Amino acid sequence: NAGVTQTPKFQVLKTGQSMTLQCAQDMNHNSMYWYRQDPGMGLRLIYYSASEGTTDKGEVPNGYNVSRLNKREFSLRLESAAPSQTSVYFCASSGWGGQGRETQYFGPGTRLLVL
Amino acid sequence: EDQVTQSPEALRLQEGESSSLNCSYTVSGLRGLFWYRQDPGKGPEFLFTLYSAGEEKEKERLKATLTKKESFLHITAPKPEDSATYLCAVQAPGSNYQLIWGAGTKLIIKP
Repeated sequence: NAGVTQTPKFQVLKTGQSMTLQCAQDMNHNSMYWYRQDPGMGLRLIYYSASEGTTDKGEVPNGYNVSRLNKREFSLRLESAAPSQTSVYFCASSGWGGQGRETQYFGPGTRLLVL
Repeated sequence: EDQVTQSPEALRLQEGESSSLNCSYTVSGLRGLFWYRQDPGKGPEFLFTLYSAGEEKEKERLKATLTKKESFLHITAPKPEDSATYLCAVQAPGSNYQLIWGAGTKLIIKP
């Protein structure tokens, strides 16, 4: 099992360019998430998908769009990148952790620099 | 406001010197508290889930405990390979999916 995989690992964009971050999981999880992590701050949820066919906004959705392509894949798109979107992006998926709670498992991250 | 605060921000210990990391939370009706470990340049790695006050979980040199207002991650006789950032998160009220994250404690173990 590869777990959660993300591509690319690193990307440099110019302001205004667009790109899509890809995420896939092989754990048969229903739920998937996109986070950003900035120095000195906790992980912040951008969007999540509770199940195939559904997506919901998290804490910081502005400037991003998502697509739940199928049960395995969840992509994050930046339509017009801004320097404020320079960050490390993590994808996660969650499965049943017992006692009615789901445990989230993370990918290795994509480091994005917007100039 | 629901929030999670971790302290200290950074902790430097000598190898073998035991200590504790703190995660305090102000969330009504705690439904789950999670500890993760994050190595530089990598994604968070799941360690423990705690559900109710008084619960304890152990893994190697790590032991997590939970009270009604905070959780501690106790590290006994740490080794340099325990150096990492430790993250705490709590389940957001009313959601099965959203977590509220602390900023983390960076732990450095010197040989």
